Amino acid sequence: AQRVTQPEKLLSVFKGAPVELKCNYSYSGSPELFWYVQYSRQRLQLLLRHISRESIKGFTADLNKGETSFHLKKPFAQEEDSAMYYCALRGYQKVTFGTGTKLQVIP
Amino acid sequence: DGGITQSPKYLFRKEGQNVTLSCEQNLNHDAMYWYRQDPGQGLRLIYYSQIVNDFQKGDIAEGYSVSREKKESFPLTVTSAQKNPTAFYLCASSSPGTTNYGYTFGSGTRLTVV
Repeated sequence: AQRVTQPEKLLSVFKGAPVELKCNYSYSGSPELFWYVQYSRQRLQLLLRHISRESIKGFTADLNKGETSFHLKKPFAQEEDSAMYYCALRGYQKVTFGTGTKLQVIP
Repeated sequence: DGGITQSPKYLFRKEGQNVTLSCEQNLNHDAMYWYRQDPGQGLRLIYYSQIVNDFQKGDIAEGYSVSREKKESFPLTVTSAQKNPTAFYLCASSSPGTTNYGYTFGSGTRLTVV
């Protein structure tokens, strides 16, 4: 079975503060991890993928197989980062999503 | 606003009725998926299809049915057997065969039982 856990429903940070959205997973095979973002009144969209090791909008995420984690980080939060963030794991044929974390950046 | 289109945006259903949600994509993606999004529960997989004329149950398939007669289309029927159908439904597509591919999502259909 594959499972994704996002322990925080809501994360509030001040503008300019560092952000870390937590994601832990459970999967017996070699995981493919993703972060998706949903801004207000917009579609859910792919933010980044662990294999690409990319930085999108200042966000990065590193896969830690030892801790089975894929936390999303940004050194300095901006107001436009306020959104719903979902961690996702691609297993065999399907993708499992976490329950999501709402990031609220306080001006 | 192309790619993957869901219709209608809002749908109201009476108790005991079946309703069908439309999902169409012009991305030439092989795989299509239906998710249900509820507050505090994230996205839960209902059904998915890797190729035309083939589909598999997801985690919460009871009370739902699908068909995949064309590559572009993956309609979802919410039957009267679904006990709690009021929710936001998301359709997605992807293109397997490449590594680290992600989903493209539709804008969703909000279904309300009245």
